[in-house]
Amino acid sequence: GAVVSQHPSWVICKSGTSVKIECRSLDFQATTMFWYRQFPKQSLMLMATSNEGSKATYEQGVEKDKFLINHASLTLSTLTVTSAHPEDSSFYICSVPARSSYEQYFGPGTRLTVT
Amino acid sequence: DAKTTQPPSMDCAEGRAANLPCNHSTISGNEYVYWYRQIHSQGPQYIIHGLKNNETNEMASLIITEDRKSSTLILPHATLRDTAVYYCIVRVGTNAGKSTFGDGTTLTVKP
Repeated sequence: GAVVSQHPSWVICKSGTSVKIECRSLDFQATTMFWYRQFPKQSLMLMATSNEGSKATYEQGVEKDKFLINHASLTLSTLTVTSAHPEDSSFYICSVPARSSYEQYFGPGTRLTVT
Repeated sequence: DAKTTQPPSMDCAEGRAANLPCNHSTISGNEYVYWYRQIHSQGPQYIIHGLKNNETNEMASLIITEDRKSSTLILPHATLRDTAVYYCIVRVGTNAGKSTFGDGTTLTVKP
């Protein structure tokens, strides 16, 4: 069964609004989760590392004030795209590292379309 | 994390073995080779990983050259459902999750 879930699976929003995407670890607690973004026909790009109980770590070039990450519990991380614009339309994927630290489990992804 | 190079696309006949190569000539001694695949519009799926020995699981086999500068993922009997983008990633084993994805190889399995 699924190890990581994301909600919603797809969302359409108007330009200027904010959208929250949830990532849940279903089978185990995770002090760290990762958020990726994937544009059409491109590879995954790491956006940020979500840390339970502390601030997220953002990759270079990712606006932390625009992509708000909250790791409120050991099973839930949320990504909020604030003041969304059409160029934010993308496939957002979260991942959870396995206890063994060798594998990582990816969520099914959330497709965001900003009109 | 070391950079990897993969062919952009490959075809394979259904039922035949699919051999996907990956070059990682700058791999460090403590970096593992991981393979993931992504079926269209889904999250990536872990396939296999290895350090220096060849590995096999229920999905695939991983062959790593002795100098560790390249590897090959083998799907022994490809099916249509194996059509996906395959990503080869090298990273330190303890740095779980923080993976740098290259462009991958689009494998198309044909009937």
